[in-house]
Amino acid sequence: GAGVSQTPSNKVTEKGKYVELRCDPISGHTALYWYRQSLGQGPEFLIYFQGTGAADDSGLPNDRFFAVRPEGSVSTLKIQRTERGDSAVYLCASSSDRVMNTGELFFGEGSRLTVL
Amino acid sequence: QKEVEQNSGPLSVPEGAIASLNCTYSDRVSQSFFWYRQYSGKSPELIMSIYSNGDKEDGRFTAQLNKASQYVSLLIRDSQPSDSATYLCAVNTPDNTDKLIFGTGTRLQVFP
Repeated sequence: GAGVSQTPSNKVTEKGKYVELRCDPISGHTALYWYRQSLGQGPEFLIYFQGTGAADDSGLPNDRFFAVRPEGSVSTLKIQRTERGDSAVYLCASSSDRVMNTGELFFGEGSRLTVL
Repeated sequence: QKEVEQNSGPLSVPEGAIASLNCTYSDRVSQSFFWYRQYSGKSPELIMSIYSNGDKEDGRFTAQLNKASQYVSLLIRDSQPSDSATYLCAVNTPDNTDKLIFGTGTRLQVFP
């Protein structure tokens, strides 16, 4: 596709359940980012991949959060034992160049997670 | 202190006026600065980047950077109702890893 694709667009789950959110970046983009955005807040950095490896995972809030990008394209964000505080829009973005050079992250439409 | 700070607003301006959006950042060695626009219910999109002190103009938008004061601003001339959105300031992190740190955003309302 032309843009960053995220699925599901909406996910409602119960506290304690496991959730997977998928991101398909723009073809050819080597860098992939996960951000989380709560209502009235700016995007909060979670993790960044360069190719298959996590170059920076310093934003993951705790060990319930994990992300993979096994073939350097599609990425999955995994959340174990979900808590109500995990409710947010999870944004994926990709980039073809170093962010410091262009700042251009191409964002998907996000996956809205609601934990009941 | 947050790394990137913005007034959440809303900032209300009449159509045709200049909207001035401000941002401060905490780390003096930050080098790259960006403004993103986010319409309600949509994802952020890049509108301006600035790397050196001074002004940078692009159409109706002007970004201003003052590294000594650790201050970035965005001016929107001839504001239109279609400019109504949240404007996010983003800074490349001090350790130069490839990630952006975003502020909370300022909500701009342009009324006819």
